[in-house]
Amino acid sequence: DGGITQSPKYLFRKEGQNVTLSCEQNLNHDAMYWYRQDPGQGLRLIYYSQIVNDFQKGDIAEGYSVSREKKESFPLTVTSAQKNPTAFYLCASSISTGGLSNTEAFFGQGTRLTVV
Amino acid sequence: KNQVEQSPQSLIILEGKNCTLQCNYTVSPFSNLRWYKQDTGRGPVSLTIMTFSENTKSNGRYTATLDADTKQSSLHITASQLSDSASYICVVSEWVGYGGSQGNLIFGKGTKLSVKP
Repeated sequence: DGGITQSPKYLFRKEGQNVTLSCEQNLNHDAMYWYRQDPGQGLRLIYYSQIVNDFQKGDIAEGYSVSREKKESFPLTVTSAQKNPTAFYLCASSISTGGLSNTEAFFGQGTRLTVV
Repeated sequence: KNQVEQSPQSLIILEGKNCTLQCNYTVSPFSNLRWYKQDTGRGPVSLTIMTFSENTKSNGRYTATLDADTKQSSLHITASQLSDSASYICVVSEWVGYGGSQGNLIFGKGTKLSVKP
């Protein structure tokens, strides 16, 4: 099946620990994104990557880190520096094209992270 | 500041009825507008994408309209079903010019629709 896969679906973290959320896609998409969703708020961009070995901070990057060593994979690490990490995390991918952008963004099923 | 505002925040309708969700935006320059459906605890799924030259687009019982002059969009759901219960998110993409990569997506907070039997 073609698609974008996030794992795990649920994740529990103790305070002070780093955790890594997995995102894998087999759509051959160049661009990948991480969003955070909190109740009553729109999705907020954490990090994005338009090409392998390159990534850019989004609106709320503090306390998070990413890597893009392979086109298919874009893992997100939530570090202990993130003071309020409990949230629903969504990974997305799209074909990155120049010019008028009419590209589809495909989302994974999300990972719900809870700090205990 | 680029913003996307959706109304109402929540809506309850009876099965079989029609409903319309609204989206107003201030994103400029504009590239396209998308409507997504998000079931509880799941990722958003695209319903429609419209560029500035498109006034209406349908996907089954879902019909989206766009007025680029007034910067308004609506999503009309016909003959609602219980499975339509979800959050509907309006997303506007910025235009970044020729040769640029995909612009930022600005998300609305969503309208939570509940369809009751």
